[in-house]
Order: sequence, then structure tokens, then C-alpha cells
Amino acid sequence: NAGVMQNPRHLVRRRGQEARLRCSPMKGHSHVYWYRQLPEEGLKFMVYLQKENIIDESGMPKERFSAEFPKEGPSILRIQQVVRGDSAAYFCASSPPRTGGPFSGNTIYFGEGSWLTVV
Amino acid sequence: QKEVEQNSGPLSVPEGAIASLNCTYSDRVSQSFFWYRQYSGKSPELIMSIYSNGDKEDGRFTAQLNKASQYVSLLIRDSQPSDSATYLCAVRRASGAGSYQLTFGKGTKLSVIP
Repeated sequence: NAGVMQNPRHLVRRRGQEARLRCSPMKGHSHVYWYRQLPEEGLKFMVYLQKENIIDESGMPKERFSAEFPKEGPSILRIQQVVRGDSAAYFCASSPPRTGGPFSGNTIYFGEGSWLTVV
Repeated sequence: QKEVEQNSGPLSVPEGAIASLNCTYSDRVSQSFFWYRQYSGKSPELIMSIYSNGDKEDGRFTAQLNKASQYVSLLIRDSQPSDSATYLCAVRRASGAGSYQLTFGKGTKLSVIP
């Protein structure tokens, strides 16, 4: 999982500020996923992206959260007007393209995470 | 109804014993099953994946899947103190809406006592 690069590793924001979390997938991976882990909670799916496309954002909060994966550069998870409840670990994961068969590209690998603290 | 359930633990086993971690899931169309290990303050690390009923062995780890009972387990033989971590069970649907998502349980905390 060391191949998925996330930054910053730790981020402190005051209420009302914006947080931007960046993720570079493993080499050869074109699928990016964002998960959130609240304290004492399990990992929750947020969004799945391919280059320049949001494929599934069913886990994203309706307001203040957005994600992108541009043609060039890392994927970015953006949280506007942060609140204390946004304090969590945000994990990015990546997988290779599904080239064939039901299980191809099935394994995802996580980055080291970005820990957001809202004060 | 929780989609993936695990006992939160902590599960304590002596060094050298077998640790047995269990997981049940509610979505019958789940097709892929994964066990991740997560050390405190770290990211999840894939331990095993299993897709077919039965057992799958990899070193000291054995994953067991029973789709009829909607049950998946992880056995760790010859447990070591370095195995002390939280073990996350994750499932993925076969197709359709949500098939890209991994649904995780809250994890079972394992403590291996030297």
C-alpha cells in the first residue's frame, strides 16, 4: 500500500476553513476511491473516480464535500467550511483497470491516510 | 440493519495459539470478500481475499467462506504479538449499483499475549 501516496498526512483546520486532501494512485492504477474512518467507526465509502470522471459518489455528503481526479495530477478530496464532525481519517485507495473477468482489478490498495482535525 | 458485522473484541489469545475472527454480511449478492489488518494510526493492509466457498490458505492465514450462511472467517495460526491489530472484514457486491464499493465491518481488535 506504500504505492498510494496521500498528503498531507495530518491537517488541522479551524471550523469554517477548507481542507484539501490529495491522493496519487499506484503506478498503473486508474481507479481511485476515497474512504472515511470516523473515530471508533468502520471505514465508509465516499466516492469512486476514474480519470476525469466521478463513477459513484453515493457515499459523499450532499453538501461541502467534492472530489475530482483530473487528467493530470492527483485526485483531490475537498471539504469546504469544515465542522468538528469532519474530523476523521481519510483514506485513498486505488486499483488497476478491470481488464477482463469478474475479479480483475478487484483488489484495492490503501494509502497511508490523511488525518483531519477540526478545531 | 448492519451490512457487515464483526465482534469488536478485544479478542485476546496467547502467543502461538490460533486466533479466529468472524464476520457476517447481510447482502446476498456480495461476491468478493476481503480481510484487512489495521494497526493503530495506520492504513488498512490487505491480508486475504476470497471469492469461492471453502478455505483459502496463505501462510499462517486461512480465510473461510460460506455464502449460504453469509459468513466469512479468518484464522491466524501460530499467533504472534505482531499480529495484534484490528482486523477488518470487507465485502463487495457482484455487479450493479455499489459494485465498486467495499463495505467494511467495524473491525475486531486482536491482542496476542506474549
